Amino acid sequence: GIQVEQSPPDLILQEGANSTLRCNFSDSVNNLQWFHQNPWGQLINLFYIPSGTKQNGRLSATTVATERYSLLYISSSQTTDSGVYFCAVSNAGNNRKLIWGLGTSLAVNP
Amino acid sequence: EAGVAQSPRYKIIEKRQSVAFWCNPISGHATLYWYQQILGQGPKLLIQFQNNGVVDDSQLPKDRFSAERLKGVDSTLKIQPAKLEDSAVYLCASSLGGRTQFFGPGTRLTVL
Repeated sequence: GIQVEQSPPDLILQEGANSTLRCNFSDSVNNLQWFHQNPWGQLINLFYIPSGTKQNGRLSATTVATERYSLLYISSSQTTDSGVYFCAVSNAGNNRKLIWGLGTSLAVNP
Repeated sequence: EAGVAQSPRYKIIEKRQSVAFWCNPISGHATLYWYQQILGQGPKLLIQFQNNGVVDDSQLPKDRFSAERLKGVDSTLKIQPAKLEDSAVYLCASSLGGRTQFFGPGTRLTVL
């Protein structure tokens, strides 16, 4: 099955800094989603991005499907950005079941 | 638009007891998912429904876990009997067309 690797596993930033999170996947996908899990456990969908580039405020994401990776950019980080960022993918071969990475744990200090 | 609702938010039980969780998806979402998330890990899919039919339950421990979505709307997940290793957060999600998944707040289960 598809393997999903996220890096870095942990990241500490000072408020206002920028960061890039990476997601590598081992097979072609037709679904890729980025999620943020806040410190209280709520999972929020950030992007549905199987290919291309999208932006939403201070966050943007790019997926290069041919090279099997996706990047999540966080600009001007805020303490509310703290939490775990997950990448999850699926393809037609696994009945669209999402395969999740282990996440990147982000801490933004004031 | 109301989000995915789950109850209870927290539950503490002793091993060998039974427990049930409830989920009400976003209105109109045909696909419903139950995930188990153990601390420090990503969510693991337990079961996926399309309307009231099961699409995938390959990772559901069927000797102790059961789930139903009788009318294709809300769903219940039951554990009977519970084991210590079932301590986790149980997340419900729903989607329209199987793309973007929207998650509920989760139920944190502690088995003593």
